[in-house]
Amino acid sequence: KNEVEQSPQNLTAQEGEFITINCSYSVGISALHWLQQHPGGGIVSLFMLSSGKKKHGRLIATINIQEKHSSLHITASHPRDSAVYICAVSSMDSNYQLIWGAGTKLIIKP
Amino acid sequence: GAVVSQHPSWVICKSGTSVKIECRSLDFQATTMFWYRQFPKQSLMLMATSNEGSKATYEQGVEKDKFLINHASLTLSTLTVTSAHPEDSSFYICSARGQRGGWDTQYFGPGTRLTVL
Repeated sequence: KNEVEQSPQNLTAQEGEFITINCSYSVGISALHWLQQHPGGGIVSLFMLSSGKKKHGRLIATINIQEKHSSLHITASHPRDSAVYICAVSSMDSNYQLIWGAGTKLIIKP
Repeated sequence: GAVVSQHPSWVICKSGTSVKIECRSLDFQATTMFWYRQFPKQSLMLMATSNEGSKATYEQGVEKDKFLINHASLTLSTLTVTSAHPEDSSFYICSARGQRGGWDTQYFGPGTRLTVL
């Protein structure tokens, strides 16, 4: 079993839909990251979380430390949101090295 | 705006040449820098971790003489791919960790796409 599990692996939705991507982890963490990778490879850091909830524009990230679970939500999704979304955790047992989820490929259709 | 920059964003070189990639933390001091690579359709793989002023720690299977990492200052780390070969073609990403605004934080660079012909 991977230490960081993301679901779903692939998600196709219509423009305007509310999107949820989930991330579960099994290790002790100091922080959890959500990143966005567009076709061509460019990576954007979306959120770094250690507790609670953060919001930026149409993106919302939540984390439940007790349940070892985080969700990334996209409201009013748009085709430009199509990308791979990656969850990564900074393990407490290592020198802040990251353990990566496999990513969720999101396609938003117009 | 960007907190961690990488330069160049993409590079094409001939086999046998060396390529240097720079990673800079723009408004904070990065005590630790991480270098990753990503092959097509695969997850990012940690190559090495470097703390400012000391030698990098390489992950198993990563050749330290081929991938030279220098972290000479708190805002700059460089990765040099020596004698590059086509199999080194990949997407290289750095990440910088340090104190920013009083908080322990980590940011990622946008990545550098290397193509070796």
